[in-house]
Amino acid sequence: EVQLVESGGGLVQPGGSLRLSCAASGFTFSSYWMHWVRQAPGKGLVWVSRIKSDGSGTTYADSVRGRFTISRDNAKNTVYLQMNSLRAEDTAVYYCAKGGRGSFYWFAPWGQGTPVTVSS
Amino acid sequence: DIQMTQSPSTLSASVGDRITITCRASESISTYLAWYQQKPGKAPKLLIYEASSLESGVPLRFSGSGSGTEFTLTISSLQPDDFATYYCQQYNGYSYTFGQGTRLEIK
Repeated sequence: EVQLVESGGGLVQPGGSLRLSCAASGFTFSSYWMHWVRQAPGKGLVWVSRIKSDGSGTTYADSVRGRFTISRDNAKNTVYLQMNSLRAEDTAVYYCAKGGRGSFYWFAPWGQGTPVTVSS
Repeated sequence: DIQMTQSPSTLSASVGDRITITCRASESISTYLAWYQQKPGKAPKLLIYEASSLESGVPLRFSGSGSGTEFTLTISSLQPDDFATYYCQQYNGYSYTFGQGTRLEIK
């Protein structure tokens, strides 16, 4: 069974940093692109970032570019999201999702999400 | 960036009803469109990919159609488990955009 389990969320002050992790199992992790998507309280889904299967390429939403960094460790079947210079508007549940073997793929499955709250 | 617009934002319906949700893209996305179902406190679940392909395990009462800029999700006969929020998503290669969501509620 394909499974994604996020961790690392929590409460952080504005300007602070947090690193999210997403542990994958049940599929050949190194063959698939991975994504992060977030959902602010009571709001819709917003794509945040993606990383190619071998880690050679990354893309970010305008709202996080320059502050967030996605990475992966294929030996550990884990994808990460390093979040720096956090703002109140980054408060959300962060989901990791499995993509496809290229860029033109849907997301499935998704992890259960990890909540991030940016507040003083 | 490609914008995705869903309608309606909220839909009230009864068990057994046939309903349709529409999603429009700001430019052509061929059939690079997916539909997801999300229940409160849960992660989104893939229903439809490539505009009309049913994900494994998803009931046959769900169907999708469309190409280019206009797409629909149809539920042929609503069941109690279907009351949730539905999102469309374009995955046209460089960025990925979701519609604002359609909340399907019991009438």
